[in-house]
Amino acid sequence: DSGVTQTPKHLITATGQRVTLRCSPRSGDLSVYWYQQSLDQGLQFLIHYYNGEERAKGNILERFSAQQFPDLHSELNLSSLELGDSALYFCASGGGGQETQYFGPGTRLLVL
Amino acid sequence: AQSVSQHNHHVILSEAASLELGCNYSYGGTVNLFWYVQYPGQHLQLLLKYFSGDPLVKGIKGFEAEFIKSKFSFNLRKPSVQWSDTAEYFCAPRGDKIIFGKGTRLHILP
Repeated sequence: DSGVTQTPKHLITATGQRVTLRCSPRSGDLSVYWYQQSLDQGLQFLIHYYNGEERAKGNILERFSAQQFPDLHSELNLSSLELGDSALYFCASGGGGQETQYFGPGTRLLVL
Repeated sequence: AQSVSQHNHHVILSEAASLELGCNYSYGGTVNLFWYVQYPGQHLQLLLKYFSGDPLVKGIKGFEAEFIKSKFSFNLRKPSVQWSDTAEYFCAPRGDKIIFGKGTRLHILP
């Protein structure tokens, strides 16, 4: 157990819908990272937040957005969902520097 | 631009065989290097990391990796694999951001 929690574990929804994925970092960690893992694209970095502020953006679509709240939990919002958004979404937490990232169990999203 | 390449997408070995998984990266500045492992049905876990100092780093479960700066490589090795090493392995260099390789699926035959 990494200490990072993600909810829900599984999510099934339809195209065009919007969903919110939640991540709680390890106690004391200020950074939250979001990743998308799919069979064809592999593990793709989406976005990094540190203590409530966006630090870095990766391959995140405009339909996707994220935020980190004062209690340091983070939410990833996916809207206008498409079939190709079906994937495993991981969050990871860390201290904020060049540190190890600790991954959560992931949310498996299926868009029908 | 930062990039990473893992040479082997699928590797099948018998128990007790030696393992080497290749990883090459490109980045103009200082880079930290990580190998993560994802066991079937589980989340990613850190296997080992290199920040500075001795270029030969040892990780969990008997794994080690060698940083060769001149070759921009950080290959993962294990002298004798076990069935329980069946997993997917990701090389992840971190420059201004962390990027993950496409992964190598390792299957160990009992």
